[in-house]
Amino acid sequence: KNQVEQSPQSLIILEGKNCTLQCNYTVSPFSNLRWYKQDTGRGPVSLTIMTFSENTKSNGRYTATLDADTKQSSLHITASQLSDSASYICVVSEGGYNKLIFGAGTRLAVHP
Amino acid sequence: DGGITQSPKYLFRKEGQNVTLSCEQNLNHDAMYWYRQDPGQGLRLIYYSQIVNDFQKGDIAEGYSVSREKKESFPLTVTSAQKNPTAFYLCASSIDRVAKNEQFFGPGTRLTVL
Repeated sequence: KNQVEQSPQSLIILEGKNCTLQCNYTVSPFSNLRWYKQDTGRGPVSLTIMTFSENTKSNGRYTATLDADTKQSSLHITASQLSDSASYICVVSEGGYNKLIFGAGTRLAVHP
Repeated sequence: DGGITQSPKYLFRKEGQNVTLSCEQNLNHDAMYWYRQDPGQGLRLIYYSQIVNDFQKGDIAEGYSVSREKKESFPLTVTSAQKNPTAFYLCASSIDRVAKNEQFFGPGTRLTVL
């Protein structure tokens, strides 16, 4: 069964600290992996999209890594800000069409 | 402003009523999608449309219906047959259904059944 699992479910960090969110997937065939940020009560916003051949991709203070061999990805947030408080969703695209398999998300709270 | 709009933001429904959620996009995208989001779960696909006058069932289509009469619009009707409709509903669009293309999401509609 195609699945995307994320850990931890929730995380609290202090402003200015770094953190890393994890994503494991069992989706096949694999097309690409995406990380989205979702503020409470809003729609998800794309942070990064990585294909099979990409190991790392950055978007400002967000850096995503992909290990296609172990089927793992991580999202590293550097120098966290209060506005980083949100849910971060790992999404894997299955096959040649835009069929997305969503993880349940990691809820991040950044405290002052 | 280019983007996807959904209305209303909040919707309350009595049991036994049908309700229609609006989704409009001005991105000139061919593909549109409806997802349902429940607490602690990943988004699940309800319906998708690759082109005008065409739509396909997703993973949880029972109790829902859609139409795609215009490229810009993809309304979702939650019927009385949907046993547990209380959820956050998200509409998305992409240029087409090619896997590499990004899906852009609307702001969502929160539906509550009273």
